[in-house]
Amino acid sequence: GQNIDQPTEMTATEGAIVQINCTYQTSGFNGLFWYQQHAGEAPTFLSYNVLDGLEEKGRFSSFLSRSKGYSYLLLKELQMKDSASYLCAVRAANSGNTPLVFGKGTRLSVIA
Amino acid sequence: NAGVTQTPKFRILKIGQSMTLQCTQDMNHNYMYWYRQDPGMGLKLIYYSVGAGITDKGEVPNGYNVSRSTTEDFPLRLELAAPSQTSVYFCASSYSEGAAKNIQYFGAGTRLSVL
Repeated sequence: GQNIDQPTEMTATEGAIVQINCTYQTSGFNGLFWYQQHAGEAPTFLSYNVLDGLEEKGRFSSFLSRSKGYSYLLLKELQMKDSASYLCAVRAANSGNTPLVFGKGTRLSVIA
Repeated sequence: NAGVTQTPKFRILKIGQSMTLQCTQDMNHNYMYWYRQDPGMGLKLIYYSVGAGITDKGEVPNGYNVSRSTTEDFPLRLELAAPSQTSVYFCASSYSEGAAKNIQYFGAGTRLSVL
């Protein structure tokens, strides 16, 4: 079966750095995605990793270790607008056509 | 830029009623998906389609039906609504040529309550 784990909730202070972890156990692996979802809105794409290492995009970075089944999303210089749920999703099989499996999401609250 | 459009945004159904959730995309994407999202439960795949005329079951297909007669449209049908189908439904689309980086774009969602 497919299993994706991420913390349910996190709280961080404006201007700080926060790391949201995601661990996965899937049959095959062909990419890991992070999506951001503000309350009452649709998910939007943040980042994609398929090889080990760090992908940086502005204030957001995502890291992948395939051997450990582990990823994290790093958010720097937190802003109030970063308060949202962050969804980790994995393409489980060795095909670009396989649908994603989503984790339950991590609700991040940024406080002043 | 319309992207993925879902209608209606909100709907209340009585138990046993039927309805169709509409989804259309104008990005010429070959892949389309339907998800449901319950509080604290993440996104669960209901059905997906890899192209016109082709549909496949996802993780939670029971109680739903889909069709894909055109590239643009992917309606989701609830035949006999049950309280367990109260949820937020998201439609998504993506373009894939077998590449792994197959980014999904989501519609704004349909909030459905079955009472």
